[in-house]
Amino acid sequence: QQQVKQSPQSLIVQKGGISIINCAYENTAFDYFPWYQQFPGKGPALLIAIRPDVSEKKEGRFTISFNKSAKQFSLHIMDSQPGDSATYFCAASQDSSASKIIFGSGTRLSIRP
Amino acid sequence: DVKVTQSSRYLVKRTGEKVFLECVQDMDHENMFWYRQDPGLGLRLIYFSYDVKMKEKGDIPEGYSVSREKKERFSLILESASTNQTSMYLCASSWGTGGFYEQYFGPGTRLTVT
Repeated sequence: QQQVKQSPQSLIVQKGGISIINCAYENTAFDYFPWYQQFPGKGPALLIAIRPDVSEKKEGRFTISFNKSAKQFSLHIMDSQPGDSATYFCAASQDSSASKIIFGSGTRLSIRP
Repeated sequence: DVKVTQSSRYLVKRTGEKVFLECVQDMDHENMFWYRQDPGLGLRLIYFSYDVKMKEKGDIPEGYSVSREKKERFSLILESASTNQTSMYLCASSWGTGGFYEQYFGPGTRLTVT
């Protein structure tokens, strides 16, 4: 019930291409879905987040698509750049759960020049 | 700018040793967290604290304890280190209670237990 499943585990994309990372959840009580980005040697940092009352959120080249009925959400990175190479974690939480966030297993993204 | 610092970037300890990992945040955040990060398993919550001297177990508390004597400092303790505790340990903090609040992470401590 608490798990967030993330795929793929690793992804290689050519520069300029679209990177897509997918996540699925079971607990319908989740009401906040953030994505965190982690560069080598650094801690994760919040990239973008969505609430289930909207189906899409866009910030620059990064877009979250959310499908409430399928209990799935995904991160799309348009015009992927070598500087986007990082590990990406999807996550889910409930506002009532005393700050507990459930993280996915992570996707290591490499953008080839 | 929020800053979360961790006392060591790399640490090597022997089996059975008592290990202290220290974390300090400078933004007066109420909540602090300890995670471990392992390949293919993502970030797993060990313990968190929503106030001084308060602590709550996360998903994998076995073999760990924590201490929060001051608001800005949260310590993770391995009472008797074992090889299966070799991992990257991440500390985080957030301003409010509730899952909507952004968590700010430190750079991590890579612990090797031999």
